[in-house]
Amino acid sequence: AQSVTQPDIHITVSEGASLELRCNYSYGATPYLFWYVQSPGQGLQLLLKYFSGDTLVQGIKGFEAEFKRSQSSFNLRKPSVHWSDAAEYFCAVGFSSGGSYIPTFGRGTSLIVHP
Amino acid sequence: KAGVTQTPRYLIKTRGQQVTLSCSPISGHRSVSWYQQTPGQGLQFLFEYFSETQRNKGNFPGRFSGRQFSNSRSEMNVSTLELGDSALYLCASSLVPAGSNTEAFFGQGTRLTVV
Repeated sequence: AQSVTQPDIHITVSEGASLELRCNYSYGATPYLFWYVQSPGQGLQLLLKYFSGDTLVQGIKGFEAEFKRSQSSFNLRKPSVHWSDAAEYFCAVGFSSGGSYIPTFGRGTSLIVHP
Repeated sequence: KAGVTQTPRYLIKTRGQQVTLSCSPISGHRSVSWYQQTPGQGLQFLFEYFSETQRNKGNFPGRFSGRQFSNSRSEMNVSTLELGDSALYLCASSLVPAGSNTEAFFGQGTRLTVV
């Protein structure tokens, strides 16, 4: 069955440090990939998405992600974290099966930013 | 342009009762999807409606149901509430039926507490 794994439940970084959040998926073909951010008490906001083409995608708020087919990964990166980036981050994949589509989300990674 | 609006934001119900949640999509969007978010299970897909028809359904019991009106507004109903139904219920809208490469916009959610 298809699955999405975010191995890190919590990540703590200092403000100004670089960040990488991991996401791995299990699927027989290339899925469509998304990263969302959720601030406390808020809904999800799309950071970036990958459908095809260049495997390095740029998103909002200075985030980028790289699709690596050989590793079945879609890791999210930011070169310099700001205190306002503290939030929950979700990796999601779009799997198509028999004409139907059910989105699957990872369990999320909580980002803590120290001043 | 107004975003996705969910009402109410917070709700407290007693076990055995039923509840109805509402979602107004972004103007022009005809697809509405519902998700349940809990600390234990993460984000799980409930169902999707497009043009008043349910297109997809996640793995939830029949106590969870929904509908969509001609103006694309959607309601979700949960009958015979259980303590485990306590969750943040998120609604997402998109222009076209949810497909692998469709961007969905999320509302802030309804926090349901069952006591």
